[in-house]
Amino acid sequence: GQQLNQSPQSMFIQEGEDVSMNCTSSSIFNTWLWYKQDPGEGPVLLIALYKAGELTSNGRLTAQFGITRKDSFLNISASIPSDVGIYFCAGLSNTGNQFYFGTGTSLTVIP
Amino acid sequence: DSGVTQTPKHLITATGQRVTLRCSPRSGDLSVYWYQQSLDQGLQFLIQYYNGEERAKGNILERFSAQQFPDLHSELNLSSLELGDSALYFCASSVAGKNEQFFGPGTRLTVL
Repeated sequence: GQQLNQSPQSMFIQEGEDVSMNCTSSSIFNTWLWYKQDPGEGPVLLIALYKAGELTSNGRLTAQFGITRKDSFLNISASIPSDVGIYFCAGLSNTGNQFYFGTGTSLTVIP
Repeated sequence: DSGVTQTPKHLITATGQRVTLRCSPRSGDLSVYWYQQSLDQGLQFLIQYYNGEERAKGNILERFSAQQFPDLHSELNLSSLELGDSALYFCASSVAGKNEQFFGPGTRLTVL
């Protein structure tokens, strides 16, 4: 099936630092979603992107829909301890109704 | 709180058994999605229902089945359970015409 490559796999950063992560696909996607998941909880939707080149912010979070439609990026500015968790990208292929999820980026923020 | 509810929160059962997981979507959402999340596989799409009808199918085993009822709640049935079926099972819902999926808290299934 479709694979989304998400990187980095894990990050350890100091509180206050900025964070960048990305997702790439071998296929074109129509929609990109970014989620955050805390241990034992369901993923929480952070940002949704619908157009190539779109840049959308949600507080300290900013995500972009890549121009090639095969990638997306998530940036977190001025990280705080509650940013800790696993971040997932999800893409909706233009060939079907199925969402594919990335393997996740585990973020640890050191106070 | 996403507005999506799932029951039970935890389920422990034995190999060979059958279980039913239940999901109630957000008010007004017609689409329900089921996902399996295990440690080594990440989030895997199983199946989607829209207003009572199957809309899309992912990597769902033949031992698994789902349905969506007229009140829009959905059930995922897992039968002939194997050790490898132990995982978190999530339900998500979305409103018609939008791709944004909102996830429930999940059901943790442990097969012994």
